[in-house]
Amino acid sequence: DQQVKQNSPSLSVQEGRISILNCDYTNSMFDYFLWYKKYPAEGPTFLISISSIKDKNEDGRFTVFLNKSAKHLSLHIVPSQPGDSAVYFCAASAHGNEKLTFGTGTRLTIIP
Amino acid sequence: DAGITQSPRHKVTETGTPVTLRCHQTENHRYMYWYRQDPGHGLRLIHYSYGVKDTDKGEVSDGYSVSRSKTEDFLLTLESATSSQTSVYFCATLQTSGGNGELFFGEGSRLTVL
Repeated sequence: DQQVKQNSPSLSVQEGRISILNCDYTNSMFDYFLWYKKYPAEGPTFLISISSIKDKNEDGRFTVFLNKSAKHLSLHIVPSQPGDSAVYFCAASAHGNEKLTFGTGTRLTIIP
Repeated sequence: DAGITQSPRHKVTETGTPVTLRCHQTENHRYMYWYRQDPGHGLRLIHYSYGVKDTDKGEVSDGYSVSRSKTEDFLLTLESATSSQTSVYFCATLQTSGGNGELFFGEGSRLTVL
């Protein structure tokens, strides 16, 4: 049972344009969501997070949007840069539960 | 950077042999985790620890055991390795105060079981 789903295994975007990565979840107990970025041969690194009390969180070129009614979140990267090429994982946790559940990842390729 | 070191970084072994992966952290984080990454499955939790000698199972714990005798060390053991355990294994720690509630990951250990 995949509680966190990333339905797009890959995405290609032109440099300078907006990248939009999507994530859906099924567990209504999830109240904290995170995005991680992973380069080959490295561990995942934290990118941005959002609590369920918000619907938007912004950090520089990265913005995460949360739609609780649809159980959907998205990560927007604008403008996209070649260094953004990586695998992006969506993750979620429930209050009081110190475990993160990850999605399957989306490989983003930025085309120069 | 939570100062997480995994060893070995690469290992090739044969089916049926025992394997131990080690995770060492220098940040005194209470929580530690072992995940495996496989194509099409993302990151899946194997076991985690919420303190010395306190551990619990994750979603793919069969065939794995863990031990935590010191705050800084978390060991993952495959008692009898199988080809299905060929994977990249990541250790992670959780900063419970002063952070974003995010996990910090090590660089991974690539295990191949022949």
